[in-house]
Amino acid sequence: EAGVAQSPRYKIIEKRQSVAFWCNPISGHATLYWYQQILGQGPKLLIQFQNNGVVDDSQLPKDRFSAERLKGVDSTLKIQPAKLEDSAVYLCASSPWNTDTQYFGPGTRLTVL
Amino acid sequence: TQLLEQSPQFLSIQEGENLTVYCNSSSVFSSLQWYRQEPGEGPVLLVTVVTGGEVKKLKRLTFQFGDARKDSSLHITAAQPGDTGLYLCAGAEGNTPLVFGKGTRLSVIA
Repeated sequence: EAGVAQSPRYKIIEKRQSVAFWCNPISGHATLYWYQQILGQGPKLLIQFQNNGVVDDSQLPKDRFSAERLKGVDSTLKIQPAKLEDSAVYLCASSPWNTDTQYFGPGTRLTVL
Repeated sequence: TQLLEQSPQFLSIQEGENLTVYCNSSSVFSSLQWYRQEPGEGPVLLVTVVTGGEVKKLKRLTFQFGDARKDSSLHITAAQPGDTGLYLCAGAEGNTPLVFGKGTRLSVIA
């Protein structure tokens, strides 16, 4: 079974530029999560989707971050414009319907200069 | 706000030694999960504990959930270099998002 796929794996941009990350969850998983993991910290949930609907986006900085999962399968997370403090690993995870078990992708390491 | 404190933050030991890492909170969780994360990879779930006082074993790893469901420990027997990584605990309560601790970074030296 293929795992959660993310791209790109690494991205370096300058502050005020825009960036987008892509995630393809495990086939059949209804729930998709985006996390931000700053160096030396645990992952922090940014947004959770159930199929193509948003379940929780309370910690998403909506003035600059946006995410969508239009067809209930893959998802994109965008930052516009990026700030220095956005430098982090952005992890995508998915889980089957109604379970706590989350399967994480390898992450995208973003560096904002 | 629910917080999970993990200790120690860093641990470096020799191959063959035993170790215990801790995950503590002032909040009660309905379940607690332990993950291991290797450099350049996402976290991988090791175990989920749901009952106060529960003990689960996974080969050389022993996980315990506190009676009050506020804390947990992970004990590794005879550590091996392959155990090296970041160990994260994460708590779940109802429909609230999973809360992660900052992790314990373990280095096992051959």
